[in-house]
Amino acid sequence: DTGVSQDPRHKITKRGQNVTFRCDPISEHNRLYWYRQTLGQGPEFLTYFQNEAQLEKSRLLSDRFSAERPKGSFSTLEIQRTEQGDSAMYLCASRKPGELNTEAFFGQGTRLTVV
Amino acid sequence: GDSVTQMEGPVTLSEEAFLTINCTYTATGYPSLFWYVQYPGEGLQLLLKATKADDKGSNKGFEATYRKETTSFHLEKGSVQVSDSAVYFCGTGGYQKVTFGTGTKLQVIP
Repeated sequence: DTGVSQDPRHKITKRGQNVTFRCDPISEHNRLYWYRQTLGQGPEFLTYFQNEAQLEKSRLLSDRFSAERPKGSFSTLEIQRTEQGDSAMYLCASRKPGELNTEAFFGQGTRLTVV
Repeated sequence: GDSVTQMEGPVTLSEEAFLTINCTYTATGYPSLFWYVQYPGEGLQLLLKATKADDKGSNKGFEATYRKETTSFHLEKGSVQVSDSAVYFCGTGGYQKVTFGTGTKLQVIP
């Protein structure tokens, strides 16, 4: 499969624990995005990487959230001291280099439940 | 920043009915416009796109035309099927990111 891959698909954690999600974009896609989607809502932008550089972070992203893309390939999203309000689907997407306004390709998402 | 407004759902139609889902946007520059579809339990899939004014995107019988003068990108299909039941998201995308609307749930009944 050459699509965007996310791991794990589901995560249940206790409030206060830390969690980390991984995203493997489509090979050679240099732009990578993290979104959060709650029930009945559209995807909300969280952060964006071009290669290894994190170029934009949403104001929605609290200090408990951090994302990395150390070698410009896969990315991780970590949430520290999880809260019940963090329960959501976390989506990763990637886009081709070069073409300005090309579409984003999405992974299946990681569903986080904080209990 | 960019924003997208979609008509609220859910939209319930009988099979073979005509579908319109309205979408308007605000954006700087010359964004591309997208419609994505999300089937139950699945991720977002691109349905169609248009990259400049007056372009028409089409796929699987769905169409949408990039109207710069009205900042709209309404989704249409002439005859819906039960298999079209899903949530549809309109999006606007510049070089940096794609911004989505809240989604419109479509339910098609036999």
